[in-house]
Amino acid sequence: GQQLNQSPQSMFIQEGEDVSMNCTSSSIFNTWLWYKQDPGEGPVLLIALYKAGELTSNGRLTAQFGITRKDSFLNISASIPSDVGIYFCAGQFNRGSGNTGKLIFGQGTTLQVKP
Amino acid sequence: DTAVSQTPKYLVTQMGNDKSIKCEQNLGHDTMYWYKQDSKKFLKIMFSYNNKELIINETVPNRFSPKSPDKAHLNLHINSLELGDSAVYFCASSRTGHGYTFGSGTRLTVV
Repeated sequence: GQQLNQSPQSMFIQEGEDVSMNCTSSSIFNTWLWYKQDPGEGPVLLIALYKAGELTSNGRLTAQFGITRKDSFLNISASIPSDVGIYFCAGQFNRGSGNTGKLIFGQGTTLQVKP
Repeated sequence: DTAVSQTPKYLVTQMGNDKSIKCEQNLGHDTMYWYKQDSKKFLKIMFSYNNKELIINETVPNRFSPKSPDKAHLNLHINSLELGDSAVYFCASSRTGHGYTFGSGTRLTVV
């Protein structure tokens, strides 16, 4: 079945540093999503990407949809303590119209920020 | 105001019991999902319903039975609970062409 490889598994950084994480897939997707999960909560959507090559920003976050449709990265600039959490990439392949394609998740990147 | 709400948040039960988790969304989405997150935080889809119709049924034991009485609700019933069923179960919803909105999860512990 489809698998997503997300790296790194964990990061421990100093406040103010930039962070980069990425996902690669064995098959193509036509949607890439990045989520953040805080302890005791569900994943929250950060950025959605719908076109190959698309580069999208949301505040200090920037994500790109790889041109091959098999990869995506997320950058966080100038990290702050509240960036702590687990970041998940997710890919979706929709067949035809509609949104019935399942969302496949990466293994997650645990980010810790030292003040 | 909660967009996707699921109850209960915590559920501790003995092996062999039957339990249900309820989910409701007030976003007007037409697709709802159940995901399971294991102890390593891996998220895996279990079921998906679109307008009350089952469209995704992953390899899940048939002790797990989803029910969607209307497109705003998707409940999960689990029979004969086993220790390995312990996990966090997330409900989610979406509308065509957009990402999922997740509930805050139900932590199930089977003892």
